[in-house]
Amino acid sequence: QSVLTQPPSVSGAPGQRVTISCTGRSSNIGSNYDVHWYQQLPGTAPKLLIFGNFNRPSGVPDRFSASKSGTSASLVIAGLQAEDEADYYCQSYDSGLSASVFGGGTKVTVL
Amino acid sequence: QVQLQQSGPGLVRPSQTLSLTCAVSGDTISITKSACIWIRQSPSRGLEWLGRTYYRSKWYSDYASSMIGRISITADTSKNSFSLHLTSVTDEDTAVYYCARSGVAILDPFDPWGQGSLVTVSS
Repeated sequence: QSVLTQPPSVSGAPGQRVTISCTGRSSNIGSNYDVHWYQQLPGTAPKLLIFGNFNRPSGVPDRFSASKSGTSASLVIAGLQAEDEADYYCQSYDSGLSASVFGGGTKVTVL
Repeated sequence: QVQLQQSGPGLVRPSQTLSLTCAVSGDTISITKSACIWIRQSPSRGLEWLGRTYYRSKWYSDYASSMIGRISITADTSKNSFSLHLTSVTDEDTAVYYCARSGVAILDPFDPWGQGSLVTVSS
């Protein structure tokens, strides 16, 4: 069981908006540690999608956005496209474990 | 552009040592603002941070508590690479192993990642 909780799957039609939640606790997200998001396309390594709660690396489309509040964070894909079909993972730091921790991942399906 | 290239055996016998190497190009591993990370991914455990090494006048390492006693992450500055060594492996260590880079702060994101190495523990 992952330290950060994500829904196993979300889906949407092309052009729709989907939201992926990432729920933690007081020892990680709730301690104001940064949340990062990764996209993993089938058969490839995870790739940094969002860093520092809401920042996009160069080259990441602006249809990807993220936020954080309290012990949770969210990733939004606005205007879903076929190439967005992938697994998405949140990541933060946990002071109780003294380790970086990940969510269990959310599979995004484009209908 | 920093790139990471992983190498190592895909099959390890139970109780033996798993060793993987990550060669870094486009950057120097001993740069004081970066760290070298190992992460693994399996269906049962998901993504799991294993540990890191970083340089601050000398090399330091941090490891996941579940790995302490079995894990070692070392750097080879002459080859600009870093390695993972995991001893006494069992089938629970079967996973895809990734190397990655990050800033030196423990809160920094992992970017970039290596291509991944599937390691199977089996007799």
